[in-house]
Amino acid sequence: DAKTTQPTSMDCAEGRAANLPCNHSTISGNEYVYWYRQIHSQGPQYIIHGLKNNETNEMASLIITEDRKSSTLILPHATLRDTAVYYCIVRANNAGNMLTFGGGTRLMVKP
Amino acid sequence: DGGITQSPKYLFRKEGQNVTLSCEQNLNHDAMYWYRQDPGQGLRLIYYSQIVNDFQKGDIAEGYSVSREKKESFPLTVTSAQKNPTAFYLCASSPHSENEQFFGPGTRLTVL
Repeated sequence: DAKTTQPTSMDCAEGRAANLPCNHSTISGNEYVYWYRQIHSQGPQYIIHGLKNNETNEMASLIITEDRKSSTLILPHATLRDTAVYYCIVRANNAGNMLTFGGGTRLMVKP
Repeated sequence: DGGITQSPKYLFRKEGQNVTLSCEQNLNHDAMYWYRQDPGQGLRLIYYSQIVNDFQKGDIAEGYSVSREKKESFPLTVTSAQKNPTAFYLCASSPHSENEQFFGPGTRLTVL
């Protein structure tokens, strides 16, 4: 009963923008889109989240389509250290509502 | 410096032994979580606690136990009833359960 669909893997050249897509066609009106990443053998790291407006922080930008059925995480200038598994998660921000991690996208940044 | 610590990073135990994994945070977060990750897989929730002296089962609680006697600490015991305990265990915390979670470095448990 996965709520999100992501490509299994992607490659990106160092210095270029990495655009990671996520489909969440069954998203509910009160559910946010969260992105985390996990570098090999480390704990996941929070990146960004949003409800319907596009969001930007020091790490990335999140573009959510108008119908909210899909989103794209953008790393504007990918570096080798951005090589990781990126997880897209939808979750309502209610007390007791947990994060559900799927398989994610394995991003490989190449020199 | 503030953060979430898990110790040890690597842990080896013999089959049939209980083992307790440590998770400590000094972020003053109310909520804490334990996840399990198997190779090439996403994270699965074992237990979570929204407040001291309270905790709830996650998706895969069988064979595990927890306690939350202090706000800063949420130890996980992997009991002999857990059939496949070898995995990467991750602890997380958040200010409240509706906020984003911050993860510790993980403990890799190997049962021989």
